[in-house]
Amino acid sequence: AQSVSQHNHHVILSEAASLELGCNYSYGGTVNLFWYVQYPGQHLQLLLKYFSGDPLVKGIKGFEAEFIKSKFSFNLRKPSVQWSDTAEYFCAVRGGGSYIPTFGRGTSLIVHP
Amino acid sequence: NAGVMQNPRHLVRRRGQEARLRCSPMKGHSHVYWYRQLPEEGLKFMVYLQKENIIDESGMPKERFSAEFPKEGPSILRIQQVVRGDSAAYFCASSTGTVEDTQYFGPGTRLTVL
Repeated sequence: AQSVSQHNHHVILSEAASLELGCNYSYGGTVNLFWYVQYPGQHLQLLLKYFSGDPLVKGIKGFEAEFIKSKFSFNLRKPSVQWSDTAEYFCAVRGGGSYIPTFGRGTSLIVHP
Repeated sequence: NAGVMQNPRHLVRRRGQEARLRCSPMKGHSHVYWYRQLPEEGLKFMVYLQKENIIDESGMPKERFSAEFPKEGPSILRIQQVVRGDSAAYFCASSTGTVEDTQYFGPGTRLTVL
């Protein structure tokens, strides 16, 4: 069974700081990878996804993620965070051929103005 | 282009009552997924449905929970005889159903059991 680990449960940053949220998964085959964001009181929105091709994926709002197959990782990055990035971030992994992604526990990001 | 719709957004029930949660997928999507989110936890998969078919219900509790996605109308997640432990946010997602597609989520229904 596949599993997803987000090691940072709570992250607190000041505006303009750089962000990196870790995501590791356990699955040996082909994977589809996703990052979702959930702003306070709102539903999950897709930030970015990786299916194949360039392992460095650009998403919305200045976010990017890098798929490193050898490390089973798909870390989310943003060079300079804003107060409006305060939200919960979820990594999700879907094994090849499966319709159902497995979600990580989530990382709560608080950005102080 | 409307996204995934869920209603009600908030639902309060007393123990023993029934809860019905509705989900209308995005236009053009024929696949629906239900997830439950508990505080401090990620999303837990419950059930995956296509029109008139349950494809995967491996995440559904064996008792009191059921789901359907009829030919016409929204998908319904039904919880009978609710207990306090059912209090959670329930999210619906929809997709086109191809293997390399993406799930789009609704705003969720927050169920509170008194």
